[in-house]
Amino acid sequence: AQSVTQLGSHVSVSEGALVLLRCNYSSSVPPYLFWYVQYPNQGLQLLLKYTTGATLVKGINGFEAEFKKSETSFHLTKPSAHMSDAAEYFCAVQKTSYDKVIFGPGTSLSVIP
Amino acid sequence: DVKVTQSSRYLVKRTGEKVFLECVQDMDHENMFWYRQDPGLGLRLIYFSYDVKMKEKGDIPEGYSVSREKKERFSLILESASTNQTSMYLCASSLPSGGTGELFFGEGSRLTVL
Repeated sequence: AQSVTQLGSHVSVSEGALVLLRCNYSSSVPPYLFWYVQYPNQGLQLLLKYTTGATLVKGINGFEAEFKKSETSFHLTKPSAHMSDAAEYFCAVQKTSYDKVIFGPGTSLSVIP
Repeated sequence: DVKVTQSSRYLVKRTGEKVFLECVQDMDHENMFWYRQDPGLGLRLIYFSYDVKMKEKGDIPEGYSVSREKKERFSLILESASTNQTSMYLCASSLPSGGTGELFFGEGSRLTVL
C-alpha cells in the first residue's frame, strides 16, 4: 500500500529564512504528488501539484517543490518565510488518477518574528 | 469561485446521539469525499462517492454511514455517536476520475462527543 511520510511534525523558522518541509512517498511508479496547506480553522487548499513533465513545480504564495524519483521525495520549499505562512502542510500522493489520494500526517510550520 | 460548504462548523453532541454532517458543493463535481482529521494522523478517508446514490467505503468506515441523494450534497451520518468520534470532519469534492485528483475542501466541522 502507498504511504506518505513527512519528516518533522513541527518546524519552526525565522521570518525571512528558508522554508523546507520534507515529504517522502512509497510507490512503485511515479505518482501524482500534491502539497496542501491548512490555515487555522480552515479547510485544506492546494498549494501545488506534480502530474507529469517538469519536475520542479511552482505553486501559490512563492512555494515550490521538486519531484525526485530516485529519492522518492517531493520536498516543499520557499526562499523566504513570511508570518502568513504559519499553517499545517500536508503532502499527498495519488498512484493514478483513478486511485484514492493518500495524505501524510502533516507538518505544522511556525514562523518566528 | 469554487465552493464546498459544510453546514456546521462546530457541534457538541452526547454519546449515543445520531449526528448528521451535511456538505454541499456548487462545482458540479461527480466525486465527493468525507475525511476525518486527527493530530499526527493526517486525513483518513471515511467514505466517498463517485455518483449520485453510489457510495464506497474508505479506510475507516466503521461507525459511519453516508447518503448522496443529489449530486451536490453528500451527508455523513454517525448512527450512535461515541467519544472516539470526536474529531475534525472534512468534506471534499473533485472532478471525475481521470483528472488530476485535485481535491476541493470545505472548512471542516469540528465535532465533540461528550
